[in-house]
Amino acid sequence: EIVMTQSPVTLSVSPGERATLSCRASQSVTSNLAWYQQNPGQAPRLLIYAASTRATGIPARFSGSGSGTEFTLTISSLQSEDFAVYYCQQYNNWPRTFGQGTKVEIK
Amino acid sequence: QVQLVESGGGVVQPGGSLRLSCAASGFTFSNYGMHWVRQAPGKGLEWVAFIRFDGNNNNYADSVKGRFTISRDNSKNTLYVQMNSLRPEDTAVYYCVKELAFKSTLTPFDYWGQGTLVTVSS
Repeated sequence: EIVMTQSPVTLSVSPGERATLSCRASQSVTSNLAWYQQNPGQAPRLLIYAASTRATGIPARFSGSGSGTEFTLTISSLQSEDFAVYYCQQYNNWPRTFGQGTKVEIK
Repeated sequence: QVQLVESGGGVVQPGGSLRLSCAASGFTFSNYGMHWVRQAPGKGLEWVAFIRFDGNNNNYADSVKGRFTISRDNSKNTLYVQMNSLRPEDTAVYYCVKELAFKSTLTPFDYWGQGTLVTVSS
């Protein structure tokens, strides 16, 4: 099983600032990596797939990068609706696995 | 628009069974692989099971293998999971999830239902 490790667990950021979230895979997942956002009480929403492709309707302030085992999600200027939990997921191997999540909170 | 509506959750005793359903609409259900993903209270996301678009292949997490069975009825646009020998650690919100790509193998999840809560407790 591929273990996905996200860091940090919690990120405190002021509105308007940049947030950088990391995700590491225990073995290569090539570019088969997605990022999801989850707000409290809601289902997750797909943000980024193929490591760097924004999903339909996702604002340009969200960007993804990386390949192999190291990946990054960047939110260029945090808006109020961006304070949420973010998960990375690999879909290169079975079982599909998620990171434990990074909570982005208001500083 | 794509809609995934789960039903069938509830409270069940350890060792009991439950069948969840997911009614899909707004897309050609028979063209997409589907998954169940769960989230224990206050915890992260855990992938549970997958079924291919035509129902001819599936995969399971080790934690549910031999106890859960995923199935689909493409004539009814409905996804199911039969959950047997339930344990307290199966307590979670269960999400029905659609794959992004048409008849593909390496694809993320683009639509999620709102989830149905399963509580395993005596």
